Amino acid sequence: GAGVSQSPRYKVAKRGQDVALRCDPISGHVSLFWYQQALGQGPEFLTYFQNEAQLDKSGLPSDRFFAERPEGSVSTLKIQRTQQEDSAVYLCASSLGVVASETQYFGPGTRLLVL
Amino acid sequence: DAKTTQPPSMDCAEGRAANLPCNHSTISGNEYVYWYRQIHSQGPQYIIHGLKNNETNEMASLIITEDRKSSTLILPHATLRDTAVYYCIVRLHASGGSYIPTFGRGTSLIVHP
Repeated sequence: GAGVSQSPRYKVAKRGQDVALRCDPISGHVSLFWYQQALGQGPEFLTYFQNEAQLDKSGLPSDRFFAERPEGSVSTLKIQRTQQEDSAVYLCASSLGVVASETQYFGPGTRLLVL
Repeated sequence: DAKTTQPPSMDCAEGRAANLPCNHSTISGNEYVYWYRQIHSQGPQYIIHGLKNNETNEMASLIITEDRKSSTLILPHATLRDTAVYYCIVRLHASGGSYIPTFGRGTSLIVHP
């Protein structure tokens, strides 16, 4: 079946521009996560949704970052007034339920380059 | 919160077993050990996880020491396609009941012909 998909796969933005990154989780998956991965580093947690509820946004680096999942399926990560330090790969993952040991399934990521 | 320590890089000959170590000396009794890998330009891929018993699936085996302070991921017959960064993770905390991993830098495994 279809896995987690993300779009666009690549995005080049000028500094100060707003961007929106989309994540389509596996159908029926309750939990959705966003991660940021800088070059040469492991993924770092940004935010977590359980259905449409954003239960944890402790990893969002600034108030320029905003995420939503209004209908409990597709999610959008928005970055306002992008800065060069926002350049990274943004990964989305989903898991079936909310049990603590649930496996997460990752999308291919969106590679953002801010010039 | 338990942290993990992994060697930054390893290499292995194709067809041989790759044994990737991980130290997690501060792991608590209800924390799982998870392994993911990330092939270049792809998202991380789940490999295997365990609590205290050794585990095996079609991808790999996970050996956890009796004191649970370390573990080893074993790829029994490594292929060139196993070249990737391998992350050992212990459950850091639960948010709303779900599991949020902390990846660290992992081990870069290179499988050579």
